[in-house]
Amino acid sequence: GAGVSQSPSNKVTEKGKDVELRCDPISGHTALYWYRQSLGQGLEFLIYFQGNSAPDKSGLPSDRFSAERTGGSVSTLTIQRTQQEDSAVYLCASSPSRDTGELFFGEGSRLTVL
Amino acid sequence: DQQVKQNSPSLSVQEGRISILNCDYTNSMFDYFLWYKKYPAEGPTFLISISSIKDKNEDGRFTVFLNKSAKHLSLHIVPSQPGDSAVYFCAASENNYGQNFVFGPGTRLSVLP
Repeated sequence: GAGVSQSPSNKVTEKGKDVELRCDPISGHTALYWYRQSLGQGLEFLIYFQGNSAPDKSGLPSDRFSAERTGGSVSTLTIQRTQQEDSAVYLCASSPSRDTGELFFGEGSRLTVL
Repeated sequence: DQQVKQNSPSLSVQEGRISILNCDYTNSMFDYFLWYKKYPAEGPTFLISISSIKDKNEDGRFTVFLNKSAKHLSLHIVPSQPGDSAVYFCAASENNYGQNFVFGPGTRLSVLP
């Protein structure tokens, strides 16, 4: 499809396990963002990639969280040693440039840590 | 402390009437504001934006009003339709950079037929 694609759509894991979430942005979009939405909360910024520049990691809540973007396209968000408070919907978005708040979001990956 | 607040978690409106969704913010440096709409099991979609040089922006049935002195913005939907039933997020930023937008918790709008 032409939109942002995320996988898996749902992930249930046990506390302490590592998880990987994948995002395939819209082709040609240079900016890629990861957000998460916990129950009853707004979208919380995690990390931002722009082209080949160093990512803005200022929103990552702990060093258990990391992300990479290979070849300027697909991105993977990795959460190591998951905790119950990591349970949330993880949303990926892309945009054609950084100078816009009009982001194109994927459907999200719902993570449940038992 | 939330910088962007949407104090009504939910709102119900009759079809055909006006829906007014409110948003308050605390950071006086915010100059760019957005509204997103989110249906269940879908990602948010951009709806409308406004910058601080304006106090109103209109797009079809959707109008956003900005009152900078009150640090308040609102989204008006006229007339409301059942398909408008969704969660609406307000977002604000000092600049127009995507990663700097701070999102509110959302208001769930139900438009009743």
